[in-house]
Amino acid sequence: GAVVSQHPSRVICKSGTSVKIECRSLDFQATTMFWYRQFPKQSLMLMATSNEGSKATYEQGVEKDKFLINHASLTLSTLTVTSAHPEDSSFYICSASGRDAGYTFGSGTRLTVV
Amino acid sequence: SQQGEEDPQALSIQEGENATMNCSYKTSINNLQWYRQNSGRGLVHLILIRSNEREKHSGRLRVTLDTSKKSSSLLITASRAADTASYFCATDPVKAAGNKLTFGGGTRVLVKP
Repeated sequence: GAVVSQHPSRVICKSGTSVKIECRSLDFQATTMFWYRQFPKQSLMLMATSNEGSKATYEQGVEKDKFLINHASLTLSTLTVTSAHPEDSSFYICSASGRDAGYTFGSGTRLTVV
Repeated sequence: SQQGEEDPQALSIQEGENATMNCSYKTSINNLQWYRQNSGRGLVHLILIRSNEREKHSGRLRVTLDTSKKSSSLLITASRAADTASYFCATDPVKAAGNKLTFGGGTRVLVKP
């Protein structure tokens, strides 16, 4: 079946620094990737949708200059949290979909900003 | 914003009992999907039901869909301790650009051994 690898699974960073999270589709071409954010005991909130080779579409209220998304190839998308602050601490999950694959989720990244 | 609403928000049952959770949504959909999430982990796809289907089974899972009421239910029969997780419904809305899923609030299920 389709597999999506998300890395790192956990990261702790200092306030003001930037963190990059990678999402790779291992055995299919992901024409679209989605980035979600999840606070404890809450649901997934879609942050942005990215199509390979084009700019990401951000959901209302999500700062595109703070959450940089790159989808340069059909197997890789990255989310960079720039100038991270403690309130950015959260669980970030990517999802990928392709022509022959439904929605496949990564295992998530726990970001803690100290 | 989240389209789906799930109830109950939390459910505690004994091993062997059935667990039922419901999901309601607001707009027309192509399909509705159910996912499981263990604490601190990613989502695992359980089952997808299309808008023209009314019921679907997969192992111990039974999903129903009532498009007239814009609601779905997930039944887990003969629950096991390993079924302890959060369960989310997600809708694929007809008019959403980019085929993005919209998640419900989730139901936290605790199965006590």
